[in-house]
Amino acid sequence: GAGVSQSPSNKVTEKGKDVELRCDPISGHTALYWYRQSLGQGLEFLIYFQGNSAPDKSGLPSDRFSAERTGGSVSTLTIQRTQQEDSAVYLCASSPRVGQDQPQHFGDGTRLSIL
Amino acid sequence: TQLLEQSPQFLSIQEGENLTVYCNSSSVFSSLQWYRQEPGEGPVLLVTVVTGGEVKKLKRLTFQFGDARKDSSLHITAAQPGDTGLYLCAGAQEYGNKLVFGAGTILRVKS
Repeated sequence: GAGVSQSPSNKVTEKGKDVELRCDPISGHTALYWYRQSLGQGLEFLIYFQGNSAPDKSGLPSDRFSAERTGGSVSTLTIQRTQQEDSAVYLCASSPRVGQDQPQHFGDGTRLSIL
Repeated sequence: TQLLEQSPQFLSIQEGENLTVYCNSSSVFSSLQWYRQEPGEGPVLLVTVVTGGEVKKLKRLTFQFGDARKDSSLHITAAQPGDTGLYLCAGAQEYGNKLVFGAGTILRVKS
């Protein structure tokens, strides 16, 4: 596809379960970002990957959150032992290369609901 | 931590009215981006402003970056129902590669 693809679009799970969220960035984009957005709010930075460099994990809220990017393309965000406060929309974005002036292209997000 | 404050948080206006959304910080940003987000979708980039004092126009939307690169505004002329959405400003830190997002302004334009 031409844009950033995220799956699943919706995920409902019970408290304590692990979840995996997937992001397919735009082909050729070297930078990939994960954000969390609570209802009607701004975006909270979680982590970003740039090429083969070590990811910037400074935004991950706890050690229950982790992410990886395989082969410089697809990324998965994993949340272990989910809590109700993890409920939010998780957005992925990619950009052609790293740089503050680069436009970020967003997917439509995964809406995560923890019961 | 650099913070961006957006105001107002919520704006409900009639079609044809003008409005301005503000994005303010005490920190300097190397550039600032404005995004628009509709329900169930990801944000879409509207514009990037880079130079202090820069003004960019996109049809009925006018974006301005403050001279000191600490603030920005978005002005919409003759708002239309299609302008309804969440408007987000995002500042690029002078050092590093992350964007700092404001909390957003929810705009509702009634016909």
